[in-house]
Amino acid sequence: DSGVTQTPKHLITATGQRVTLRCSPRSGDLSVYWYQQSLDQGLQFLIQYYNGEERAKGNILERFSAQQFPDLHSELNLSSLELGDSALYFCASSVDGQRQETQYFGPGTRLLVL
Amino acid sequence: ILNVEQSPQSLHVQEGDSTNFTCSFPSSNFYALHWYRWETAKSPEALFVMTLNGDEKKKGRISATLNTKEGYSYLYIKGSQPEDSATYLCAFVGGSYIPTFGRGTSLIVHP
Repeated sequence: DSGVTQTPKHLITATGQRVTLRCSPRSGDLSVYWYQQSLDQGLQFLIQYYNGEERAKGNILERFSAQQFPDLHSELNLSSLELGDSALYFCASSVDGQRQETQYFGPGTRLLVL
Repeated sequence: ILNVEQSPQSLHVQEGDSTNFTCSFPSSNFYALHWYRWETAKSPEALFVMTLNGDEKKKGRISATLNTKEGYSYLYIKGSQPEDSATYLCAFVGGSYIPTFGRGTSLIVHP
């Protein structure tokens, strides 16, 4: 158990809908990362937050947005969902969000868009 | 688009064999190289973070080396055990904070 929690574990929804994925980092970690793992691609970095501020942005679609709240938990919002958004979404956390820091991954949220 | 390649894509070995695989990454603008172990139905688990050219890290039977000048890292597993079966991922971090992952090497250790 990494100490990073993600909810829900599984999510099934329909195309066009909007969902929110939630992540709580390890106690004491200030930085949160979001990743997408789909069948035809490797692990893709989406976005990183540090202490409530966006630090780095990957190939995150405009339909997706995220934020980190004052209590340091983070939410990833996915809207106008398409079949291709079906994937495993991971959240990870690290202490200060530096590039050489170990990241601790949560158990993931498996999203299925029908 | 940064290119991070891992080889081989998959590997089957017998229990007790030693094995190694490669992660190739851009040799310019290097900042850090992360290795992860990812078991089926679990989440990636950090093995090593490597930052200096010539770095060698070891954790039990697993070790890794880093060559930033030529852009590669090797992961070695000595005396493989069935519980080592997993996908091993590397992630390159350059000038930005964005980690770029390879597709992984899937290792299966047969008893």
